[in-house]
Amino acid sequence: EADIYQTPRYLVIGTGKKITLECSQTMGHDKMYWYQQDPGMELHLIHYSYGVNSTEKGDLSSESTVSRIRTEHFPLTLESARPSHTSQYLCASSSIEGRGPHSGANVLTFGAGSRLTVL
Amino acid sequence: KNQVEQSPQSLIILEGKNCTLQCNYTVSPFSNLRWYKQDTGRGPVSLTIMTFSENTKSNGRYTATLDADTKQSSLHITASQLSDSASYICVVSDRGSTLGRLYFGRGTQLTVWP
Repeated sequence: EADIYQTPRYLVIGTGKKITLECSQTMGHDKMYWYQQDPGMELHLIHYSYGVNSTEKGDLSSESTVSRIRTEHFPLTLESARPSHTSQYLCASSSIEGRGPHSGANVLTFGAGSRLTVL
Repeated sequence: KNQVEQSPQSLIILEGKNCTLQCNYTVSPFSNLRWYKQDTGRGPVSLTIMTFSENTKSNGRYTATLDADTKQSSLHITASQLSDSASYICVVSDRGSTLGRLYFGRGTQLTVWP
């Protein structure tokens, strides 16, 4: 069972509202990520963090912001939601394989996702 | 340009039948390739991971193959079950460690009918 939790699972809000998607992991992973996924499309990295007080923008430009005050917590915030923000948002964290043939491989664990609909 | 292409885009099979999903990549340098299963409304879950030296990796009824020379991978599902209905995503990493960049395919949507 995944040890990374996202809330809310589903959110329907009106344009202009501020929203925060929560993500928490209990695995002690340093690196965390936010991906955006639309139906039939690949995951796009929008934010990541190497650890506490570290945040970086990903490959896909996003109007959202993130913070990393605690290792286990990586919330994503939209100050003013728009219909174009409607999407599925997936949080993930990663560890490094320390032994065996996959030593050094970056292994991602995903949360169940937050489905955001902006009317 | 580093890319991951998956085929077919969607596939419908009858329960109990076998199927094979394809993944072609142009990512270089290459570190590892993984297959994820994503159920509707859920996050992806890792099925297998393979590095350059591995040709085949099995996980129950799932068998992944990797040909690093042709940059192709396949995921074979044996004796399909209704619970196999999901999107299967191929992900390629260009290097080990958390510094590695991940390249995602768009997935193959598999539907298993009774």
